[in-house]
Amino acid sequence: GEEVAQTPKHLVRGEGQKAKLYCAPIKGHSYVFWYQQVLKNEFKFLISFQNENVFDETGMPKERFSAKCLPNSPCSLEIQATKLEDSAVYFCASSLGTGYSPLHFGNGTRLTVT
Amino acid sequence: AQSVTQLDSHVSVSEGTPVLLRCNYSSSYSPSLFWYVQHPNKGLQLLLKYTSAATLVKGINGFEAEFKKSETSFHLTKPSAHMSDAAEYFCVVSGPPGGGADGLTFGKGTHLIIQP
Repeated sequence: GEEVAQTPKHLVRGEGQKAKLYCAPIKGHSYVFWYQQVLKNEFKFLISFQNENVFDETGMPKERFSAKCLPNSPCSLEIQATKLEDSAVYFCASSLGTGYSPLHFGNGTRLTVT
Repeated sequence: AQSVTQLDSHVSVSEGTPVLLRCNYSSSYSPSLFWYVQHPNKGLQLLLKYTSAATLVKGINGFEAEFKKSETSFHLTKPSAHMSDAAEYFCVVSGPPGGGADGLTFGKGTHLIIQP
């Protein structure tokens, strides 16, 4: 597709429950990125993929967060045992390359942990 | 190492007047620079990008930005503000290819308010 598609738009989970977010990148883009926007103006990098391979996972809280990008499937970001501080908007972005290629962002998934 | 500073957290202008959103950067490399806009409950939309070609970059919706290496600045301008320009604007600096997504550094954003 021509846009990065994220589902669902909103997700509410009780503390300790699992949350799973999905992202379909733009067709032809090799790189997928996940960002967490907790405070309105701060973007925290989580993880990136080059096709189905993890490219950079330096931002991932590995004990509860995991992500996959499998062929012919939307990419996913999963949070096991959600905590209150996981409440945020999670953005997915895709690009043709890294460095000089701009990122194209989806509209985000708003996760609320109660 | 790289950093980006958006000098104003809020900018308020009247409709029809010029817009100036300021961004300064530092980078060990020849950076790429981007401006993104975020409307409420939306993702980031690319306005324009600088990747070492022309220093004056034209973007969408009448926005443009000038890369000034001597001043390490990449300010965003628009000659005449429209009500629909009200949004959050982010200046982003990127490292070299292969630098990974943590080679992207986001500014803290400038909230643009348009007064009728």
